[in-house]
Amino acid sequence: QKEVEQNSGPLSVPEGAIASLNCTYSDRVSQSFFWYRQYSGKSPELIMSIYSNGDKEDGRFTAQLNKASQYVSLLIRDSQPSDSATYLCAVFSQAGTALIFGKGTTLSVSS
Amino acid sequence: NAGVTQTPKFQVLKTGQSMTLQCAQDMNHNSMYWYRQDPGMGLRLIYYSASEGTTDKGEVPNGYNVSRLNKREFSLRLESAAPSQTSVYFCVAEREGQRTDTQYFGPGTRLTVL
Repeated sequence: QKEVEQNSGPLSVPEGAIASLNCTYSDRVSQSFFWYRQYSGKSPELIMSIYSNGDKEDGRFTAQLNKASQYVSLLIRDSQPSDSATYLCAVFSQAGTALIFGKGTTLSVSS
Repeated sequence: NAGVTQTPKFQVLKTGQSMTLQCAQDMNHNSMYWYRQDPGMGLRLIYYSASEGTTDKGEVPNGYNVSRLNKREFSLRLESAAPSQTSVYFCVAEREGQRTDTQYFGPGTRLTVL
């Protein structure tokens, strides 16, 4: 069974700090990696995607991918209370037919 | 442009009752999926459809059936609801074969089975 693992949290950071969210995956041939944000009672929304080793930046968000270590992370700089949500890591394998999701990490940003 | 719509938004059923969750997309995407989300379990794939007329089982298909009658609509049916099917159900539409950031979630259906 291909798996995606995340720490459930909660991860608590003060406003303005960097939040670091981590994810590991078991399928070595995974090709596409995604981070979703989900507010309580809402549906997940895509915030970052990454396909190649290294870093990808988009505003305050940076996704980092290391395929050799089967590790993907999300950094949120200058964290805001509005970033408080559950963050879902998701992976598409090469042979996969659908996204496999981790259970999510709850982030709490205190003002 | 509504994206992905789901009906109903909320539903309460008694054990043994049946119902159909409706999903429709207006983006002309080929692939559609049904996921369920439970506390502590994350999102789990129930069924998916790569194109009109085709469906395949996902990780947790037992107790469910699906129908993809046309490109736009993908429905999920519970023939005899059980309390274990209490969950939030999400429909997702995806552009075929891209494996890129083109997955769109519907707003979800919150189902309670008593």
